[in-house]
Amino acid sequence: QLQLRESGPGLVKPSETLSLTCTVSTDSIRNSPYYWGWIRQPPGKGLEWIGSIYYSGSTYYNPSLKSRVTISVDTSKNQFFLKLSSVTASDTALYYCARRGSSDWFDPWGQGTLVTVSS
Amino acid sequence: SYVLTQPPSVSVAPGQTAMITCGGNNIGSKSVHWYQQKPGQAPVLVIYFESDRPSGIPERFSGSKSGNTATLTISRVEAGDEADYYCQVWDSSSARVLFGGGTKLTVL
Repeated sequence: QLQLRESGPGLVKPSETLSLTCTVSTDSIRNSPYYWGWIRQPPGKGLEWIGSIYYSGSTYYNPSLKSRVTISVDTSKNQFFLKLSSVTASDTALYYCARRGSSDWFDPWGQGTLVTVSS
Repeated sequence: SYVLTQPPSVSVAPGQTAMITCGGNNIGSKSVHWYQQKPGQAPVLVIYFESDRPSGIPERFSGSKSGNTATLTISRVEAGDEADYYCQVWDSSSARVLFGGGTKLTVL
């Protein structure tokens, strides 16, 4: 059964860059005809899509975050990555990675990792 | 910009039917997906392409769409169905994945 796991620092200072890794187990990113995505959820609030990447490296981002977001992939390690620059307190959220289906649905999701932006 | 509108909350007694709506302009032209998120857990896909159920999702969960509204229907509601539910589409005009604001389902 496919599993995803997010990892990275739980605390980031304002103006710095948030960096997260999603490790995909059981399945192989290189052998799967899927996109993979990042979604976040501020505490007590709803879901916000950040962006998605294909195993080939093709990406598309939420226009509202595009100037600050970079998503990349390392198929040899079965991992994909999120970088969000110039973070502020409003970037504090649970960050999830997930596999994207053929019409932009997401299944399954990782368990999420909480990132707090604070000095 | 495109907006998906969900009621903040829906309450239903056990054994009854819960209907959670998701409104959006011209939603009929979009594929709608639904997620269940229980407290402290990651979202789980319960319906995709309006009415398809992933493996492992009970038949009690169904979806439909009419006019400018998509609806998630949960039949024979159980206490374990208490959760937040989100609808989601791909908005081609803004080139983004959009989620509704979420609906908290309370089982009385």
